Amino acid sequence: GAVVSQHPSRVICKSGTSVKIECRSLDFQATTMFWYRQFPKQSLMLMATSNEGSKATYEQGVEKDKFLINHASLTLSTLTVTSAHPEDSSFYICSARDWAAPALEAFFGQGTRLTVV
Amino acid sequence: AQSVTQLGSHVSVSEGALVLLRCNYSSSVPPYLFWYVQYPNQGLQLLLKYTSAATLVKGINGFEAEFKKSETSFHLTKPSAHMRDAAEYFCAVSDPNFGNEKLTFGTGTRLTIIP
Repeated sequence: GAVVSQHPSRVICKSGTSVKIECRSLDFQATTMFWYRQFPKQSLMLMATSNEGSKATYEQGVEKDKFLINHASLTLSTLTVTSAHPEDSSFYICSARDWAAPALEAFFGQGTRLTVV
Repeated sequence: AQSVTQLGSHVSVSEGALVLLRCNYSSSVPPYLFWYVQYPNQGLQLLLKYTSAATLVKGINGFEAEFKKSETSFHLTKPSAHMRDAAEYFCAVSDPNFGNEKLTFGTGTRLTIIP
């Protein structure tokens, strides 16, 4: 199947700094990517939908100024956590749809564990 | 709105025993349903999906699930558990009217295999 690569897999940052997470579709084009957040022992919650060449669509309750999303190309979306605080510590996962594939499947990245100290 | 309920946050079975992970959904339209597996500190891997074709769906690693509209269920089963099946399992639902782009996940079930 298609491969989605997420980087970094782990990051530790100081409170108040910003962190950028990359999500790449390696062997297909993804006009739409999705960013999820997963707290320990909880499910994945959709944060936003990233659209290539346009603004991201954020879910209710997600601060768009805090979680900046850029989808500048058909293979790359980035999530920047700005002015990170300890409560932002979480597991962030991206997914992408391969529109050229006949199957209805979203491919997920490996996830990024963010720890804010 | 759609939702998914996974009964049992933790399930333990002996190696070789039947695995049954429960999932019930709520949807105003005929849904598409998915089961994903997540190993520690990794992303999600699709096990199987129901997309309005056959109600009994076979997936990878010997797992299968049956869509039962009357019970609004999509339980995941495997006849004989292996140690490598220990992981977190998520049931998810999507709305075909929105191109199946957005997935709504259940809270997950952690499967432990007892040697």
